[in-house]
Amino acid sequence: AQSVAQPEDQVNVAEGNPLTVKCTYSVSGNPYLFWYVQYPNRGLQFLLKYITGDNLVKGSYGFEAEFNKSQTSFHLKKPSALVSDSALYFCAVRDKGNQGGKLIFGQGTELSVKP
Amino acid sequence: DTGVSQNPRHKITKRGQNVTFRCDPISEHNRLYWYRQTLGQGPEFLTYFQNEAQLEKSRLLSDRFSAERPKGSFSTLEIQRTEQGDSAMYLCASSSQGALSSYEQYFGPGTRLTVT
Repeated sequence: AQSVAQPEDQVNVAEGNPLTVKCTYSVSGNPYLFWYVQYPNRGLQFLLKYITGDNLVKGSYGFEAEFNKSQTSFHLKKPSALVSDSALYFCAVRDKGNQGGKLIFGQGTELSVKP
Repeated sequence: DTGVSQNPRHKITKRGQNVTFRCDPISEHNRLYWYRQTLGQGPEFLTYFQNEAQLEKSRLLSDRFSAERPKGSFSTLEIQRTEQGDSAMYLCASSSQGALSSYEQYFGPGTRLTVT
């Protein structure tokens, strides 16, 4: 069965410091991987994806993520955090063999960036 | 393009009543998805459409739930005989099939259902 784990419910970072939000996944085949961000009372906003090619992918707002097949991980990173990055972050996976494209989400990690 | 829209944004209903939600996807997208999100959890897949055809349904989608996309454009999700356990945020998403850039899904703001 497909699954996504986000081992940290909350990540606290000081503004200007680098941030990492962790994600590991399990799929039977090859994965498509995604990061979404959710602000209070809002829908999910797409940040970035890994489909194929370079393991390091860059997305919106200066975020990037590294696909590591051997560790089945797709951690989200940003070199310098902003207070405005504070939000709920979700990692999601899709099995390439699933033609329908449904996403399996992790439980989310709340990122808090303090001034 | 204004993105995915959902109506209503909030719905409060009494247990046992029926409710219907609407989703308008991004106009050129042929795939439409429904997810449910409860507090402290990630979204869970309910069902998806390709054009007007409903191609997959989750086991979460009990027989009290029905979804339609009659003309391959907007979709409705109806819950009959609501229960308190149905209280959640119902999210709609859309995507287009085929192009490499289409694998991501774009989400609407959600409809928050409260069953009292």
